[in-house]
Amino acid sequence: NAGVTQTPKFRILKIGQSMTLQCTQDMNHNYMYWYRQDPGMGLKLIYYSVGAGITDKGEVPNGYNVSRSTTEDFPLRLELAAPSQTSVYFCASSLGLAGRSDTQYFGPGTRLTVL
Amino acid sequence: AQSVTQLDSQVPVFEEAPVELRCNYSSSVSVYLFWYVQYPNQGLQLLLKYLSGSTLVKGINGFEAEFNKSQTSFHLRKPSVHISDTAEYFCAVSLGSSGSARQLTFGSGTQLTVLP
Repeated sequence: NAGVTQTPKFRILKIGQSMTLQCTQDMNHNYMYWYRQDPGMGLKLIYYSVGAGITDKGEVPNGYNVSRSTTEDFPLRLELAAPSQTSVYFCASSLGLAGRSDTQYFGPGTRLTVL
Repeated sequence: AQSVTQLDSQVPVFEEAPVELRCNYSSSVSVYLFWYVQYPNQGLQLLLKYLSGSTLVKGINGFEAEFNKSQTSFHLRKPSVHISDTAEYFCAVSLGSSGSARQLTFGSGTQLTVLP
């Protein structure tokens, strides 16, 4: 299994441009997550999904959109890039066991710079 | 809401010395606790987790952590570190209840640097 894969690895955007960060998992996990990691900070949850067709906001959703049309894919969309969105973005997935612990598996990250 | 505090942002230590990375959490309900490691330019990898039962949890690469409910702490320890342990370490907490997605709250991280 490849686990959680993310593309691209690096990207530079100009202010106001848009882009989609791709995330795919091949573990048949129900839950998927998007985090951002700023320098010297822990990860903050942007959006998450508990299954195809179901998404919900996390701690820092402003400026982002997501969709979950399949179990495998969970793309993150930036519509109008701003310098404050310069960060490293991590996608994660977990099996989704209600009432039990649920280890999250992380992708390698996408480093985004907005100039 | 829960929060996580990692007390040390940087911990330098010599090879083969012991190390302790400190983590405190605050929550009004029961929690699950995790330690993740992030090697340079990579994603996060689970080191160990506490769910219930024995308060001493053993993880990969010789690491262990002890859950202390009265101190609300979950410190990570290794008796003898290697150069290859140089990485960023994150403590995280999730609510220990059923239902909604396991939203993890992360600490700000501790950079462990092992010196030769």
